[in-house]
Formats: sequence, C-alpha cells, structure tokens
Amino acid sequence: DADVTQTPRNRITKTGKRIMLECSQTKGHDRMYWYRQDPGLGLRLIYYSFDVKDINKGEISDGYSVSRQAQAKFSLSLESAIPNQTALYFCATSGSTWGQPQHFGDGTRLSIL
Amino acid sequence: DAKTTQPPSMDCAEGRAANLPCNHSTISGNEYVYWYRQIHSQGPQYIIHGLKNNETNEMASLIITEDRKSSTLILPHATLRDTAVYYCIVPYGGSQGNLIFGKGTKLSVKP
Repeated sequence: DADVTQTPRNRITKTGKRIMLECSQTKGHDRMYWYRQDPGLGLRLIYYSFDVKDINKGEISDGYSVSRQAQAKFSLSLESAIPNQTALYFCATSGSTWGQPQHFGDGTRLSIL
Repeated sequence: DAKTTQPPSMDCAEGRAANLPCNHSTISGNEYVYWYRQIHSQGPQYIIHGLKNNETNEMASLIITEDRKSSTLILPHATLRDTAVYYCIVPYGGSQGNLIFGKGTKLSVKP
C-alpha cells in the first residue's frame, strides 16, 4: 500500500549497532503498528500506538523501542541489534473507528550479522 | 495461538472460483473477521472484513454463517496472481491492535 511507506527497504548491519526503521503514512490514520515476520511464520506484533500520546507493547517488545513523532510517523528502534532480530518488519495503520482494518507497508528486510 | 483454523493449503484452477474456509468458533458478538493475503514477502494486503452480514467488494466476497462460527472467502475468478497465503483473522479482545496472524492457507492457482 503506497500510502504507508517504510524506509529503508533493506538493511544489513552488524551486531551491537543501533538501528532505526521508519514508517510514514498519508492515510490520516490515528493508529499505527509495528510487526515482525520470521521465515515461514506469521506476523507478530511488536508495538502499537493509538495516537501520538498512546504507545503500547505488543507480543514481542523486548529489545525494541518506538517513537511516535507525529500522527503520520512511527519509528522502530533496535538499540543494540542482535542476530535473532533478523527478520522482515512491517508497519501498519488503521482508523480509530471500531472494526477499521489495518493497512500495511511493503516492509523492511533487516539482516544482522 | 490464532483464534481461527484454516486448511494449510488449497489448489484452484485459473478462472474458477476459489473458496477458502475459516473456522472461528470462539468469536464474540462484536468481533469482526478480517481477511488478508500475503504474496511472497510483500506486505499483507487487506482483502475484506465482516461482522454478521455477507460482504462483497472488488476483490472478493465474504460469507459468514448465521452462528458466526465460520466464514468463507470467495475469489470469484481466480488468476495466477491470486497465488498467495491467505489469513483469516479475528483480533483478540476485539482490539484492532491484536491481529494474530497464524499460518494461513497457501492458495495455489494453477493454469
């Protein structure tokens, strides 16, 4: 969905480095999410934000932090990357009305050596 | 674990309707059923969602049983580009933040 843009699309880095993945959206949605996907598995929720001042941990938040800089921007950070954080990372957004579906970006492929 | 059960794989002939089933026997009265698909490693693509009534959009139709314990996604005229993993999702606690993606159904559309 071109309305949800993730940068970078690919990143290779070394263990111990700090990494920031960025997500921006033009859909005007209040809610934003970060997921990771490991090979052959479904997506798992890392963090989500229902508005700029509301940030919540998801299923697997350890080792990650987030920042909601504005309604349109939600960043995911790995303070000290480790190899088992190698994965596909997806950002998603949704409206705040009950039942609104989430819309996903194209993902960031992150490899930690 | 996901609140839904789907067959791991299905085949469909190109041009025919693809009917993908999903069981969600523990669904609550105000919980929606969402369908997404993922083509290779692209971002999941939203297809359709519903609460009680059957729904149709430009991509698919969603048939929900009267007791809401199961549903079927219908792709009316499957093409090779519809080959993907299809996920049926009922969020935990009704919260949109808790989309649990299980293993889905791998749909293979064959010429």
